[in-house]
Amino acid sequence: ILNVEQSPQSLHVQEGDSTNFTCSFPSSNFYALHWYRWETAKSPEALFVMTLNGDEKKKGRISATLNTKEGYSYLYIKGSQPEDSATYLCALTNNNDMRFGAGTRLTVKP
Amino acid sequence: DTGVSQDPRHKITKRGQNVTFRCDPISEHNRLYWYRQTLGQGPEFLTYFQNEAQLEKSRLLSDRFSAERPKGSFSTLEIQRTEQGDSAMYLCASTLGRYGYTFGSGTRLTVV
Repeated sequence: ILNVEQSPQSLHVQEGDSTNFTCSFPSSNFYALHWYRWETAKSPEALFVMTLNGDEKKKGRISATLNTKEGYSYLYIKGSQPEDSATYLCALTNNNDMRFGAGTRLTVKP
Repeated sequence: DTGVSQDPRHKITKRGQNVTFRCDPISEHNRLYWYRQTLGQGPEFLTYFQNEAQLEKSRLLSDRFSAERPKGSFSTLEIQRTEQGDSAMYLCASTLGRYGYTFGSGTRLTVV
């Protein structure tokens, strides 16, 4: 059974602060780790897909790292903006199975 | 429109009624997934199709739930004799492989 855990469950930061969240997963039978941003009333939007230990991906102010040996991924947001407010989901792909964490709900206050 | 579309966006139904949702995936995607998300939880896997074959079904999917993908294109998810615990967001996603899942906007079901 794939068990994907995210922390913290929710986070409130001020505009301009940098922040990060964690996704933990079992390191065995790893295939790929996905990060999604899910804004209210919209579809989850794919941010990154990472497959290799040590992968680092960046998209604007958002970046992610992957450690498959210890089973974690970090998502970083530099200089948070109110429009970054959303739920950030990570998901683990293993063969034909994809399991999501419960998400981290980020609120950025102006 | 080249995305995944779901219909309806919102559904309010009385307990005990049957409801059916539809998902139209990206046309060349052979895999289609249904997920359910309740408040405070991440999306939970319900079932998955490769073309028209239903290959996996979660234990979450009781016998009141049935899903079909008759021609390997659109899919329907039916819930019979709805219960208040069925209230959730039902998400559909499609993919060609293990990368690049595309989600629909979801159907929000409220059972009153």
